[in-house]
Amino acid sequence: GAGVSQSPRYKVAKRGQDVALRCDPISGHVSLFWYQQALGQGPEFLTYFQNEAQLDKSGLPSDRFFAERPEGSVSTLKIQRTQQEDSAVYLCASSGRVNYGYTFGSGTRLTVV
Amino acid sequence: GENVEQHPSTLSVQEGDSAVIKCTYSDSASNYFPWYKQELGKRPQLIIDIRSNVGEKKDQRIAVTLNKTAKHFSLHITETQPEDSAVYFCAASLSGANNLFFGTGTRLTVIP
Repeated sequence: GAGVSQSPRYKVAKRGQDVALRCDPISGHVSLFWYQQALGQGPEFLTYFQNEAQLDKSGLPSDRFFAERPEGSVSTLKIQRTQQEDSAVYLCASSGRVNYGYTFGSGTRLTVV
Repeated sequence: GENVEQHPSTLSVQEGDSAVIKCTYSDSASNYFPWYKQELGKRPQLIIDIRSNVGEKKDQRIAVTLNKTAKHFSLHITETQPEDSAVYFCAASLSGANNLFFGTGTRLTVIP
């Protein structure tokens, strides 16, 4: 597609519920990133894929967070047993080249109640 | 890891004036420094970037300067317009790595 597409745009989850957030990167972009953006803060790195390989997951805050990109295209970020502190906007970005600017998606705003 | 600090957190200027936002970084290995503009409820959009092999880059009303020795870089917006109002984020990337470390953002308000 022309841009990075994320769904759903908004998600309200009850505490303890599992959620899955989808990212469809720009076609041909091998690099895919997930970031978490709390209200009033800058995006914080969660994890990075190069094709289907998850090369860096150092930013995932706990083992409740899991990401995959099985075919090197669409990626899913899964959060198990959601907690209130997980409430944030989850941004996906893709890039065609190392050390070049990302293109971000519009994000998924997750609210845990 | 890298630590990026950004100042000021808020900035108000009169339309037509210039705006300057400053960032510092901690890791001398960082070599890529993009700036993003984020309007309320929208995605961050890349507006300009600079690599460590240059000291300045311009694109119309926007310029970025980099001082590698002091480990700081700045965004300059001239002839500001109301549509420049947004939150601006600086970021840094370590050589050989891909993830960006972001500053905390500057909310720019251009007063008509």
